[in-house]
Amino acid sequence: DVKVTQSSRYLVKRTGEKVFLECVQDMDHENMFWYRQDPGLGLRLIYFSYDVKMKEKGDIPEGYSVSREKKERFSLILESASTNQTSMYLCASRIAGSQRGYEQYFGPGTRLTVT
Amino acid sequence: EDQVTQSPEALRLQEGESSSLNCSYTVSGLRGLFWYRQDPGKGPEFLFTLYSAGEEKEKERLKATLTKKESFLHITAPKPEDSATYLCAVQGGNYGQNFVFGPGTRLSVLP
Repeated sequence: DVKVTQSSRYLVKRTGEKVFLECVQDMDHENMFWYRQDPGLGLRLIYFSYDVKMKEKGDIPEGYSVSREKKERFSLILESASTNQTSMYLCASRIAGSQRGYEQYFGPGTRLTVT
Repeated sequence: EDQVTQSPEALRLQEGESSSLNCSYTVSGLRGLFWYRQDPGKGPEFLFTLYSAGEEKEKERLKATLTKKESFLHITAPKPEDSATYLCAVQGGNYGQNFVFGPGTRLSVLP
């Protein structure tokens, strides 16, 4: 079974704090993704990584950065947390494909509240 | 631009009452259509991948089908434990490796 784990299920931080969200997958997947999910807005892609040390901006990268030093680990960093970053954060991983699409496997999510 | 819409937005069924959820998409060069189930407060759980029109996949009470413009998730004789939000996503040729997700259908199955 594919397993994607996230470091925290619930997190409460103060405005201006630097926040680290960690994601680990155990299936040797090349691709990893960070999304946020908000009511009425659905799943929105923040950043993704094709492979180690590679990263690409998604649809809403402002206020976020990422790090992928090892294949199994993908970190999302909120440089200075703001209240509008209160959300459910979801990590996903997938094997790489060129012509054929492959499913993404999601972690359990981190519910982040910024006060 | 790749787009995915889902209907209905919400659906209430009695236990045993079969129905279908719709996912309509526009995409350039479909590489895959994906169905997920999401329970409240949890991450989406992968259900099916469909690649070409005419393809069908089944799992327990769920059956997914695909045409050139839409996909259906048929639920046969649903049970209360099938209550969840069902998400559809596509991967097309113009968006690289990324998915475009639909807004989801919130299904409630009443005992």
